[in-house]
Amino acid sequence: KAGVTQTPRYLIKTRGQQVTLSCSPISGHRSVSWYQQTPGQGLQFLFEYFSETQRNKGNFPGRFSGRQFSNSRSEMNVSTLELGDSALYLCASSTQNGLAGDTQYFGPGTRLTVL
Amino acid sequence: DQQVKQNSPSLSVQEGRISILNCDYTNSMFDYFLWYKKYPAEGPTFLISISSIKDKNEDGRFTVFLNKSAKHLSLHIVPSQPGDSAVYFCAASSALSSGSARQLTFGSGTQLTVLP
Repeated sequence: KAGVTQTPRYLIKTRGQQVTLSCSPISGHRSVSWYQQTPGQGLQFLFEYFSETQRNKGNFPGRFSGRQFSNSRSEMNVSTLELGDSALYLCASSTQNGLAGDTQYFGPGTRLTVL
Repeated sequence: DQQVKQNSPSLSVQEGRISILNCDYTNSMFDYFLWYKKYPAEGPTFLISISSIKDKNEDGRFTVFLNKSAKHLSLHIVPSQPGDSAVYFCAASSALSSGSARQLTFGSGTQLTVLP
């Protein structure tokens, strides 16, 4: 099976712009979670989508949003970019059957740099 | 409040010796624990996991131990190899509600360096 893919791998934007990141989960996985990794804050949970619905959201401002399509692919959007949004954005997919033992598999990430 | 803690930011080990990475947690609702390995500018790679009903799980050179009473887990790598040099994250999972979403909470990571 192909792994989780994310596009683009690298992005450079300026403050005030918006950005859209894309994630394609492992075939058969219906859940997609997004994480932000920064040197100071580690891996922080952004939100999780399952069957096109956001089921869980982390502690991030409303500038961070996402959606999921019927084929389970997901996009994440950040509006009005700030310098502090520079980070590695990671997407993970899983079956999310709600049972212990459900493992999340990560994509390679999108490195966003805000100038 | 950090629910999952990795108190050692770095660890250096000689090639061929054992590497022991530690992780502590505070939330008793966590019922599934995972270790991920991460290289710079790449996504975390799943290594090994353990359910809260077990106290040990082995996969090749990797063994994870869980001590529920101490809320502590550890990852043992034997023998350590230079290619194991990476950041290791422990993560804990709990159900947010019955039959629904599960969320991963990560520790801050430990940089393992295996010296040749």
